[in-house]
Amino acid sequence: GESVGLHLPTLSVQEGDNSIINCAYSNSASDYFIWYKQESGKGPQFIIDIRSNMDKRQGQRVTVLLNKTVKHLSLQIAATQPGDSAVYFCAEKVTGANSKLTFGKGITLSVRP
Amino acid sequence: EPEVTQTPSHQVTQMGQEVILRCVPISNHLYFYWYRQILGQKVEFLVSFYNNEISEKSEIFDDQFSVERPDGSNFTLKIRSTKLEDSAMYFCASVVGELFRFFGPGTRLTVL
Repeated sequence: GESVGLHLPTLSVQEGDNSIINCAYSNSASDYFIWYKQESGKGPQFIIDIRSNMDKRQGQRVTVLLNKTVKHLSLQIAATQPGDSAVYFCAEKVTGANSKLTFGKGITLSVRP
Repeated sequence: EPEVTQTPSHQVTQMGQEVILRCVPISNHLYFYWYRQILGQKVEFLVSFYNNEISEKSEIFDDQFSVERPDGSNFTLKIRSTKLEDSAMYFCASVVGELFRFFGPGTRLTVL
């Protein structure tokens, strides 16, 4: 698989490979993080979240890793499929029911058949 | 699974005209948000709304913007006098607790 920071707009991977999408968040006070998938013409779709008291959380084919020391978040997608092609955003917020969610820059994941 | 709906899906308007974008949040949710996304850019926070009043707003949300929940179900975003730079996708989010799981499909606003 490949990893890329959000300063690169596109990640291209071969179908079946693992994908790693990285994100550097800005607010050291943030303690709740979410990854979203956005397909063309649609709204953000929740993928997985993680709280700051965890370093890793796994879902179905996805894993989120959190490194609070360097304010870094990553999304790993196992066995990437064509349906995973989309724009991916990380988002951060501070705990509090009414605190806003702040999105990072998106990265386009393109899966080659 | 419950979902957030938004209407219209696409709104085309002339510069200077007023537009109202509508959202139907998920019932029993208490916190509502509007975000916008200019084509190819990241999703930006506009405003949050709780208990029938604005909780927080961004610099983008100037006096040309307003929100309200007129009938306890719909949640609307009004732009009084649209500008070219208001062209974007506008997303509504419906939140329970801290779970930002539910975004609407968006309204594409095109200002000519």
